[in-house]
Amino acid sequence: AQSVAQPEDQVNVAEGNPLTVKCTYSVSGNPYLFWYVQYPNRGLQFLLKYITGDNLVKGSYGFEAEFNKSQTSFHLKKPSALVSDSALYFCAVRALNSGNTPLVFGKGTRLSVIA
Amino acid sequence: DGGITQSPKYLFRKEGQNVTLSCEQNLNHDAMYWYRQDPGQGLRLIYYSQIVNDFQKGDIAEGYSVSREKKESFPLTVTSAQKNPTAFYLCASTPLTAPCDYGYTFGSGTRLTVV
Repeated sequence: AQSVAQPEDQVNVAEGNPLTVKCTYSVSGNPYLFWYVQYPNRGLQFLLKYITGDNLVKGSYGFEAEFNKSQTSFHLKKPSALVSDSALYFCAVRALNSGNTPLVFGKGTRLSVIA
Repeated sequence: DGGITQSPKYLFRKEGQNVTLSCEQNLNHDAMYWYRQDPGQGLRLIYYSQIVNDFQKGDIAEGYSVSREKKESFPLTVTSAQKNPTAFYLCASTPLTAPCDYGYTFGSGTRLTVV
């Protein structure tokens, strides 16, 4: 079975400081990993993905994520947070060899960037 | 512009009433999905369809029904058997040829409230 854990319901960070939103996963075999962002009363927007290759993935709006196979983690990072980054962030996973099974999403982490 | 459209944006349901949420996409995507979002519970899969006239139950299908008569459309009916339907409903789609390269495209959601 596939699963995703986002251990923090809420992350607070001051504007200009680096931010990290944590994600760990469990799949059989190699994972496809995604980060999405959701603003209030809107759908999810794709930020970045990891399939193969470099463990550091760069995405939209200056976000990046680091894939760590030994720790089964895919933490989202940004060097300098903006107030406009305040939103709900979701990590999602699917096993590479699972055919076309649906993505499994974490419960989400609310990021609050304080000016 | 290509995209995925959900309607209505807000929907109110009386006790014992069936309601249908619309999801239409003009992206020529093969697969479509319905997720339910509740605070603190993330996204939970209700139903998905990878081909016309075929669909599969997700994790919380009880009290819901779907149809996929056209590739572009995947409506969700919330039946009176769904005892706690108040939630935010998200529709998503993806091509199957390279689903994880694209990730999912999400609609803007429908907020359903029981009155």
